[in-house]
Amino acid sequence: AQSVAQPEDQVNVAEGNPLTVKCTYSVSGNPYLFWYVQYPNRGLQFLLKYITGDNLVKGSYGFEAEFNKSQTSFHLKKPSALVSDSALYFCAVRDEGFQKLVFGTGTRLLVSP
Amino acid sequence: DTAVSQTPKYLVTQMGNDKSIKCEQNLGHDTMYWYKQDSKKFLKIMFSYNNKELIINETVPNRFSPKSPDKAHLNLHINSLELGDSAVYFCASSQSGGGGYTFGSGTRLTVV
Repeated sequence: AQSVAQPEDQVNVAEGNPLTVKCTYSVSGNPYLFWYVQYPNRGLQFLLKYITGDNLVKGSYGFEAEFNKSQTSFHLKKPSALVSDSALYFCAVRDEGFQKLVFGTGTRLLVSP
Repeated sequence: DTAVSQTPKYLVTQMGNDKSIKCEQNLGHDTMYWYKQDSKKFLKIMFSYNNKELIINETVPNRFSPKSPDKAHLNLHINSLELGDSAVYFCASSQSGGGGYTFGSGTRLTVV
């Protein structure tokens, strides 16, 4: 069964500094990997995905993620954090052969001015 | 034009009542889902329909019954509501083949 781990409940970073939100996954086949962001009292917004191809994926709002097959990781990164990036971030994975998207437990990102 | 729309946005009801949440998508996707987000923000899939056929049915009480009249709509009916059903319910859709999921804005259900 597929699973996702987000080891950090919260990540704190100062505005202007780079940020990383960690994600590792487990699937039996080829992974389809996603990052979503949730602002307070809002739905989930799609940031980026990896299906195949280049291991570095660029997404919305300046975010990017690097797929690392050997480490089964898909960490979310941004070179320079903004206060407005503060939100709850979810990593998700689905197995190539299945429609079920499984989410991690979420990481709260807090960017201080 | 909202891609995935859910109604109502908020729902407050008493224990024991029956309620429905509606979802519609205008993206032409062939698969729709219901997810539940609990008070700790955990997101768990409940059901999935592909072209009106149920393909995923997680361990969800029988009081929850999804209905898909066509591939653009997936409704969720809940019987005999319990306090533990209080959560945010998200509808989502996707196209088979690896596309991303598009989520609705959620329905916050509060059972009192």
